[in-house]
Amino acid sequence: GAVVSQHPSWVICKSGTSVKIECRSLDFQATTMFWYRQFPKQSLMLMATSNEGSKATYEQGVEKDKFLINHASLTLSTLTVTSAHPEDSSFYICSGGSGGHNEQFFGPGTRLTVL
Amino acid sequence: EDKVVQSPLSLVVHEGDTVTLNCSYEVTNFRSLLWYKQEKKAPTFLFMLTSSGIEKKSGRLSSILDKKELSSILNITATQTGDSAIYLCAVGANFGNEKLTFGTGTRLTIIP
Repeated sequence: GAVVSQHPSWVICKSGTSVKIECRSLDFQATTMFWYRQFPKQSLMLMATSNEGSKATYEQGVEKDKFLINHASLTLSTLTVTSAHPEDSSFYICSGGSGGHNEQFFGPGTRLTVL
Repeated sequence: EDKVVQSPLSLVVHEGDTVTLNCSYEVTNFRSLLWYKQEKKAPTFLFMLTSSGIEKKSGRLSSILDKKELSSILNITATQTGDSAIYLCAVGANFGNEKLTFGTGTRLTIIP
């Protein structure tokens, strides 16, 4: 099956700093990548959808200036959490789609802890 | 707004039992329904269902979609402790827009 990697797998940072998370599709071209956030004991909440070479589409309630998404190539998307605060602590998961299908392949996730 | 509801929220059974997990949805322009298994990290894909009444099977797991009832079930037979996980149902809509809407999941615990 298609493989998606995420880096880092976990990060601890101080409040006010910015954190960048990378998502790569390793063996397929992800025309669309998705970023989710998952709080403990809750389901995945879609934050934004990004298409290669265009601006991301953010879900209602997600601040685009706080969660910067860049999808520079068909195999790489990045999520930058700017000026992170403790309430941003969560499990961030990316997934890639290969175009025209709903099947998504998930990365292993990044656990962010903001002190 | 698209909506996916899973039941039960949690389930505890003994090893060897058979379980049935439910998923119902309200989605505009339904395209597909997907089941994922989530253990400690990100979800792993189980099934994608697009046609009503056709069972998909993988080992002890099987799933079927009922478009008339806007629902799907996931069956696991002869459960093992390794089946303990959160099972997520997601629905995709709008061809060309691959966005998925996830349910809250069913937390399955298998007791040895």
